[in-house]
Amino acid sequence: LAKTTQPISMDSYEGQEVNITCSHNNIATNDYITWYQQFPSQGPRFIIQGYKTKVTNEVASLFIPADRKSSTLSLPRVSLSDTAVYYCLVGSHQTGANNLFFGTGTRLTVIP
Amino acid sequence: DAGITQSPRYKITETGRQVTLMCHQTWSHSYMFWYRQDLGHGLRLIYYSAAADITDKGEVPDGYVVSRSKTENFPLTLESATRSQTSVYFCASIPGQGGDTIYFGEGSWLTVV
Repeated sequence: LAKTTQPISMDSYEGQEVNITCSHNNIATNDYITWYQQFPSQGPRFIIQGYKTKVTNEVASLFIPADRKSSTLSLPRVSLSDTAVYYCLVGSHQTGANNLFFGTGTRLTVIP
Repeated sequence: DAGITQSPRYKITETGRQVTLMCHQTWSHSYMFWYRQDLGHGLRLIYYSAAADITDKGEVPDGYVVSRSKTENFPLTLESATRSQTSVYFCASIPGQGGDTIYFGEGSWLTVV
């Protein structure tokens, strides 16, 4: 089972780039890596998804090394509104919907 | 576009009572899930369903019952509520075809006293 390990918390100043790394040593061949963001009193929401190498969208980048045993979410120039909990999810409903483990997430606090 | 709606959003119940949390999605997604979220544990999967009339256990299924007679509904029942089931419950879904993005509802806050 591709369970994940992330830092429990991180602090960053406004305007800085933030990198959050997730370890997933048991990732399966068909598994995707997906990151979610959760604000207080809300459900998690999708940020970015990738399979290998690098993926970039309008809010973040995702770096995945060749062995796929880890991934790094990069948030450029964070603002106060990026304060949230970030979850790394590894899995695929094709390899088993019961393998979609979220873990404890990383609590990011952006400081003015 | 309503997406996923959960009800009730907030509920206080007594130990031993039966409680049902409702989940309705408007997308006709194949897969639906119930997660619970507790401080220090993140999101843990309770039950999931791959399609109507197909359900299976997740990581923490004990004390819960689910059903899925229609694709759009996936109720979660606590047969005899316990204090340890005080939590925030999230319903979620994924299309099942063309991607694994999980879409979440806004959550149901349940307190068992």
